[in-house]
Amino acid sequence: KAGVTQTPRYLIKTRGQQVTLSCSPISGHRSVSWYQQTPGQGLQFLFEYFSETQRNKGNFPGRFSGRQFSNSRSEMNVSTLELGDSALYLCASSPHGLAGGTGELFFGEGSRLTVL
Amino acid sequence: AQSVSQHNHHVILSEAASLELGCNYSYGGTVNLFWYVQYPGQHLQLLLKYFSGDPLVKGIKGFEAEFIKSKFSFNLRKPSVQWSDTAEYFCAVTPAGSARQLTFGSGTQLTVLP
Repeated sequence: KAGVTQTPRYLIKTRGQQVTLSCSPISGHRSVSWYQQTPGQGLQFLFEYFSETQRNKGNFPGRFSGRQFSNSRSEMNVSTLELGDSALYLCASSPHGLAGGTGELFFGEGSRLTVL
Repeated sequence: AQSVSQHNHHVILSEAASLELGCNYSYGGTVNLFWYVQYPGQHLQLLLKYFSGDPLVKGIKGFEAEFIKSKFSFNLRKPSVQWSDTAEYFCAVTPAGSARQLTFGSGTQLTVLP
């Protein structure tokens, strides 16, 4: 069974630009969560989607948004990039979502974003 | 909201030494607890998990963790570490049966010297 796939793996942007990251969950998984990982802050929760609906949102500004498609694939978008947005963005999938499930997540390798 | 504290930011051990990494959480209700590991250049993967029952749980690669409810702790242990255990370890918590996100600790970098 293929794991969680994230694209692109690496990207460089400049301040003010926007970026879209993509995540394909494990087949059959309906929940996709996004996390931002930085050396200083660790893993910070961005949002969770289940069956195309955003069910949870972390404490990030509105510049961070996401969506989920009917095939469970998800995208996240960051607009008006700032230097502080440089991070590893991790996508994780789970079969049942956080509600009613166990919270066990299967992570992708991440998309490393550098903002210059 | 729940929170997780990992007090050891960087631990350096020699091979065959015993390991214990601390994890304390803050939440007033029932929780599910996890340890995830991130080996160099690899994705985060589940090491072990606790949902209910026996508070001593065993995971992959000889790791175990003990849930002590009275201390809000879920410490990770291994009797004898190997060089291949060099990785970053994350403790995580989520309220049981709720639609809340997984909250991670800040991580502990373990370096095992050959």
